[in-house]
Amino acid sequence: EIVLTQSPGTLSLSPGDTATLSCRASQSVSSNYLAWYQQKPGQAPRLLIYGASIRATGIPDRFSGSGSGTDFTLTISRLEPEDFAVYYCQQFDSSPRALTFGGGTKVEIK
Amino acid sequence: QVHLVESGGGVVQPGRSLRLSCAASGFTFSTYGMHWVRQAPGKGLEWVALIWYDGNNKYYTDSLKGRFTISRDNSKNTLYLQMNSLRAEDTAVYYCARGTVVTPLDYWGQGTLVTVSS
Repeated sequence: EIVLTQSPGTLSLSPGDTATLSCRASQSVSSNYLAWYQQKPGQAPRLLIYGASIRATGIPDRFSGSGSGTDFTLTISRLEPEDFAVYYCQQFDSSPRALTFGGGTKVEIK
Repeated sequence: QVHLVESGGGVVQPGRSLRLSCAASGFTFSTYGMHWVRQAPGKGLEWVALIWYDGNNKYYTDSLKGRFTISRDNSKNTLYLQMNSLRAEDTAVYYCARGTVVTPLDYWGQGTLVTVSS
């Protein structure tokens, strides 16, 4: 089973800063199956990035994803007040057929 | 407009059963896979199960195999999660989400809270 480890656990930043979130897999992951989600308190998660680097519909271009193999990154440029939330990476493992989520990174206002 | 609405949550005693439903609208339900994902209070997301568009293939997280069953009724545009032998650690918000084995979870419901407590 592939384990996703996200770091840091919490990121304290100010509006206008750039956030760099890491997602590391215990073994190689197909980029096609790596996604990022945003979750705000009391809300369902929202898809941000899929295929490691493709922005979902309606997602601003200040969100970008990159990486391959075991190391993936979500970058949020020019943080807006609405970007302070928890972010999760997720991958699909074809053998066994299962999805896993990382533990999450909280981006909080400094 | 895609809309997913979960229902069926509530307070249930340990060892009892509960069935959650997820009503889908705004898309052709019978052509999409569907997932259940849960989130314990103050914790991260945990994938529960996936069912293919036609219901012919189902996958579960290892720790829940045998206790939880995912199913769907395409004639009613509804997804289900049958949860048996519930334990305190099953307490969580349960979300349904649209997606398959090769596509991300692109739409989510608002979630339904299940509390397992005596």
